[in-house]
Amino acid sequence: TQLLEQSPQFLSIQEGENLTVYCNSSSVFSSLQWYRQEPGEGPVLLVTVVTGGEVKKLKRLTFQFGDARKDSSLHITAAQPGDTGLYLCAAPAETSGSRLTFGEGTQLTVNP
Amino acid sequence: GAVVSQHPSWVICKSGTSVKIECRSLDFQATTMFWYRQFPKQSLMLMATSNEGSKATYEQGVEKDKFLINHASLTLSTLTVTSAHPEDSSFYICSASSFLNEQFFGPGTRLTVL
Repeated sequence: TQLLEQSPQFLSIQEGENLTVYCNSSSVFSSLQWYRQEPGEGPVLLVTVVTGGEVKKLKRLTFQFGDARKDSSLHITAAQPGDTGLYLCAAPAETSGSRLTFGEGTQLTVNP
Repeated sequence: GAVVSQHPSWVICKSGTSVKIECRSLDFQATTMFWYRQFPKQSLMLMATSNEGSKATYEQGVEKDKFLINHASLTLSTLTVTSAHPEDSSFYICSASSFLNEQFFGPGTRLTVL
């Protein structure tokens, strides 16, 4: 069974600090996605990484896909209160490429 | 990105009644849609996979007679919670899959059963 382990589960930091969220698995994935979800809304796709070792930047967010395509990280520089939300990593399920396996999520709170 | 809508955004109903939630892909055709359930501060739990024109595939532990799914067109899937009870209260989210297998999520529906 594929499992995506996210850490930390909860993170509360001050505005301006940096943080990293990790998404790890023992399985190899063809791709991996990161979503952010705000309370009362659906998840919004931030990025899809496909190639091992790939690094993608989205303003202050940097996403990395591990060389072996088993893990990924999300780094936020100079966090702002607007970054507050639930961050989810997801990857295609083994049994069906269109189904996604989700990590448990990281609840980030950035205090002003 | 692709737009997926859900209706209603929230609903309050009495125990024993049925509630229908609609999920629409507004600017693309989705052969596959997914229905998730989410509890506060937790990740999404897949309930079922809905394919246009065929029966939905339910995840283990999800009662197909309680959560009726219909996917009559490439842009519309519906989830009906039948004979709802307070334990069915939750945040229900749908998503639609693109040809790249990326999923685009609806804004969710908050169901409260009294």
